[in-house]
Amino acid sequence: GAGVSQSPSNKVTEKGKDVELRCDPISGHTALYWYRQRLGQGLEFLIYFQGNSAPDKSGLPSDRFSAERTGESVSTLTIQRTQQEDSAVYLCASSPRGGQPQHFGDGTRLSIL
Amino acid sequence: DQQVKQNSPSLSVQEGRISILNCDYTNSMFDYFLWYKKYPAEGPTFLISISSIKDKNEDGRFTVFLNKSAKHLSLHIVPSQPGDSAVYFCAASARGQGAQKLVFGQGTRLTINP
Repeated sequence: GAGVSQSPSNKVTEKGKDVELRCDPISGHTALYWYRQRLGQGLEFLIYFQGNSAPDKSGLPSDRFSAERTGESVSTLTIQRTQQEDSAVYLCASSPRGGQPQHFGDGTRLSIL
Repeated sequence: DQQVKQNSPSLSVQEGRISILNCDYTNSMFDYFLWYKKYPAEGPTFLISISSIKDKNEDGRFTVFLNKSAKHLSLHIVPSQPGDSAVYFCAASARGQGAQKLVFGQGTRLTINP
């Protein structure tokens, strides 16, 4: 596709369950980013992948959060043992070679009951 | 520690007039600034950016101004149109430090009234 694709668009799950969110970046974009937007807040950086370099995980809020990326394509963000404070919109972005601007997907709205 | 601040959560402007959205930052390492526009249930869309070596960048109806000494930037939209109604986020990065992540403000909801 032409843009960043994220799935699912919405996810409702019970507290304590694990969730996996998926991001397909724009073809040819080597850099991929995950952000989180809580209600009424700005976007909060989580993690950044650039090619084969070690990812920048400095924004992950706890060890329950992890992310992987297969080469320069799909990425998955996994949240283990979800808590209610994990409820947010999770946004993925990609850019060519880590430059700007970053292009965003429409996000996954995660609701923890 | 809010490094990028948008102090106005909302702004209402009449169609045809100028909209001015403001943003302040605290980190002097930031050297690249962007504005994004966001509609409900959609991801942010890039609008315009400015490097710290410039003080103004213009693209059609959108102009971004940067005042480095005041650590302040603003987005001017003129003339404002109903389709401009959205939430606007300013963002900053420290590219010179190798940091590619964006630090976002909390957003300003702009409403253009007919």
